[in-house]
Amino acid sequence: DTGVSQDPRHKITKRGQNVTFRCDPISEHNRLYWYRQTLGQGPEFLTYFQNEAQLEKSRLLSDRFSAERPKGSFSTLEIQRTEQGDSAMYLCASSFAGGRNEQFFGPGTRLTVL
Amino acid sequence: SQQGEEDPQALSIQEGENATMNCSYKTSINNLQWYRQNSGRGLVHLILIRSNEREKHSGRLRVTLDTSKKSSSLLITASRAADTASYFCATDATGGYQKVTFGTGTKLQVIP
Repeated sequence: DTGVSQDPRHKITKRGQNVTFRCDPISEHNRLYWYRQTLGQGPEFLTYFQNEAQLEKSRLLSDRFSAERPKGSFSTLEIQRTEQGDSAMYLCASSFAGGRNEQFFGPGTRLTVL
Repeated sequence: SQQGEEDPQALSIQEGENATMNCSYKTSINNLQWYRQNSGRGLVHLILIRSNEREKHSGRLRVTLDTSKKSSSLLITASRAADTASYFCATDATGGYQKVTFGTGTKLQVIP
């Protein structure tokens, strides 16, 4: 499967715990994006990497959120001290710089904070 | 914040009918894209239209773009039950880092 993959697909955690999600983009894509989607809403942009550089972060990304893409390939999104309001679907997408910015999405990680 | 707003929020049609969804946005854009999302799943890219294009076709999909009105429409012809999904428009604003901003979505139900 050469699409975008995300792991895990579902995560249930207790409030206050830390969680980490992983995204593996399409191999030749150098841009990687993280979005958050809550029920009935469109995806909201969180952050964006070009290769290993994190070029933009949304105001939605509080201090408890951190994302990395250390080698310009896979990326991780960590949420520290989770809150119930963090419950959402976390989507990763990738695209090829120099293209038309068509983004290919992974299946998402659904986070439930109890 | 959401850049675009889709209209209507929900649409229910019979199989075989055409479905039209509209999207309005706020800032100047490079491209506008339409995505489909089946319940609880990731998004699938449908079609991209550049800011200097007015109309584009792909299979049963027809997209129009009116940059003077900052609006776009997606027409699905001869709808099928499998078209049941949420449809989102997404724009990347000029001068940005290719960040794509999604609208609020239209939930389409096609009744067999």
